[in-house]
Formats: sequence, C-alpha cells, structure tokens
Amino acid sequence: SQTIHQWPATLVQPVGSPLSLECTVEGTSNPNLYWYRQAAGRGLQLLFYSVGIGQISSEVPQNLSASRPQDRQFILSSKKLLLSDSGFYLCAWSVYKNTEAFFGQGTRLTVV
Amino acid sequence: GQQLNQSPQSMFIQEGEDVSMNCTSSSIFNTWLWYKQEPGEGPVLLIALYKAGELTSNGRLTAQFGITRKDSFLNISASIPSDVGIYFCAGLNTGNQFYFGTGTSLTVIP
Repeated sequence: SQTIHQWPATLVQPVGSPLSLECTVEGTSNPNLYWYRQAAGRGLQLLFYSVGIGQISSEVPQNLSASRPQDRQFILSSKKLLLSDSGFYLCAWSVYKNTEAFFGQGTRLTVV
Repeated sequence: GQQLNQSPQSMFIQEGEDVSMNCTSSSIFNTWLWYKQEPGEGPVLLIALYKAGELTSNGRLTAQFGITRKDSFLNISASIPSDVGIYFCAGLNTGNQFYFGTGTSLTVIP
C-alpha cells in the first residue's frame, strides 16, 4: 500500500534561518507531488506541484522553493525564513490521471 | 485562479442531528473530493466522486456530484462527537489541478 511520510512534525525557526522540509512517498511510482500551506487551520493554499523529477511548478510567488531530486521525494526549502512563513505545511501525492490526493501528517512551522 | 466556495463556514449541532454542507465553483470540475481534517493532522479523504450526478455513501456520510459539475454536497446523518473537525471539499479540473474549499468547521455538542 502507498504511504506518505512528512517530517519534521513541528519546527521552530528564527527569522532569517534556512528551511528544509522533506516528504517521501512509498508504494507508488511517478506520483504527482504537492506542497500546500494552511493558515489558522483553514484554507489550503497550493504552493508547488511536481509531475516528475526536476519538474516544479510554482503557484504563488513565495519566499519558498521546492525541489524533486528523486521520483518519490519532494523538498520544500527557504534560504531565509520570514515571520509570515509560519503555518501548517502539508505534502500530498496523487497518481497522474487518477483523482484522489492523499496527505501527509503535516509540519507545524513557527518562525520566531 | 479557480476558487471553491464552501458553506457554511461553521456549524454547531446537537449530537444525533443531520449535517449538510456544500461547495460551489465558477468552473467545471471532473472530480469532487471531500476530506476531514482533525487538529494538527493532515486531511483524510472521505469520499471521491467521479461523474456528474453520482451519489456515493461512506457509512453515515453521503456526497453528490452536481449535474452542472460546478457543485457538490456532503451530508452526515445522525452526527456523533467524533465527527468534529474541519471538512474540506476539493475539485480536480481538466488540468489535473486540485483546488480546495475554505472548509466547514463542525462542532457536535453531546
């Protein structure tokens, strides 16, 4: 069966520090991968999605970037965090031309 | 971009009551999905709908894909305390992109 792992679960980082959140999927090949941000427990904002290795589409200009170095690995990064980067970050996967997206457990990021 | 309007934003109901929430879009979607999210967790898929007019149940949950392909609703019958959470609709468009509603926060009073 397919599983998605996202870590860390919580993170407190100072303003100006770098960020790296990792997401991996098991049990499937060539998944579509997504990074979402959720503010205040409501509203999922799509940040990035990827349909293959090295293919990243950005939905919203951000202080963030994403990379997909391997088929089932998706990384969310920042060189310098801002206070406004705080939030709940969710990784998700789906199968191309299939229709359900499945989410990881999320990372609670607090920038102080 | 495409937006999904989800209503109501929040609901406070007595245990045992039925619940209904809906989601509408200005654009056509090929698939409608309903998720439930509990605090500190990722959303969990409840029901997936693939065809206009489709009515699908999952236990006490029933969801329908609107005929116009621009809306969907979710009903929960005989609510129980563990139904508490935020329910999200999501639509998949022709470009294989997911868009989410703003969520309905459900509180069940025992």
